[in-house]
Amino acid sequence: EVQLQQSGAELVRPGTSVKLSCKVSGDTITAYYMHFVKQRPGQGLEWIGRIDPEDDSTKYAEKFKNKATLTADTSSNTAYLKLSSLTSEDTATYFCTTQRYDYGSYDYWGQGVMVTVSS
Amino acid sequence: DIVLTQSPALAVSLGQRATISCKTNQNVDYYGNSYMHWYQQKPGQQPKLLIYLASNLASGIPARFSGRGSGTDFTLTIDPVEADDTATYYCQQSRNLYTFGAGTKLELK
Repeated sequence: EVQLQQSGAELVRPGTSVKLSCKVSGDTITAYYMHFVKQRPGQGLEWIGRIDPEDDSTKYAEKFKNKATLTADTSSNTAYLKLSSLTSEDTATYFCTTQRYDYGSYDYWGQGVMVTVSS
Repeated sequence: DIVLTQSPALAVSLGQRATISCKTNQNVDYYGNSYMHWYQQKPGQQPKLLIYLASNLASGIPARFSGRGSGTDFTLTIDPVEADDTATYYCQQSRNLYTFGAGTKLELK
């Protein structure tokens, strides 16, 4: 069974950066595109971007191009999301999720990690 | 960007049919497939895939859930509705990058 384990909750200061991890177990990470999705408290889902761990190619939603950086480490089967220049608008739960097939649905999800930006 | 529009909420009675709609501002069909998917999310949980490519039931999802549509108009139907179905339902397109609808909260009357 494929499982995605995300890192723990973060409390971070405005203006700083944070790096979140998502470890895949039960399969090799290179079988998937890895995506990250943002959900602000009480709000809907927002696609941030995706990485292909086979070649490290990335795609981002326009609004996250200067905010998010996706990386992957195939040796540890882990994908990472780095968020920079944090503001209160970045306070949210961040999910990682997998896309196995070209048609682009998300089959497996991490449990989500809450990031709180506060001074 | 492809924008997906959903009604904010829907209330139905136990055992009745719930129909949740999703409209897009651009066609999401491509070579005979509709790149539209549906998810269920309960409070405090991650989303769960219900339907992929508009009408295909994901693994382990009961047949009470079904999807249909093409082009710019899609629906998710739950028939009959059970108490455990109270959740927020999101549509998502993957025709051009990826976007989600704002979600429809399903409540019981």
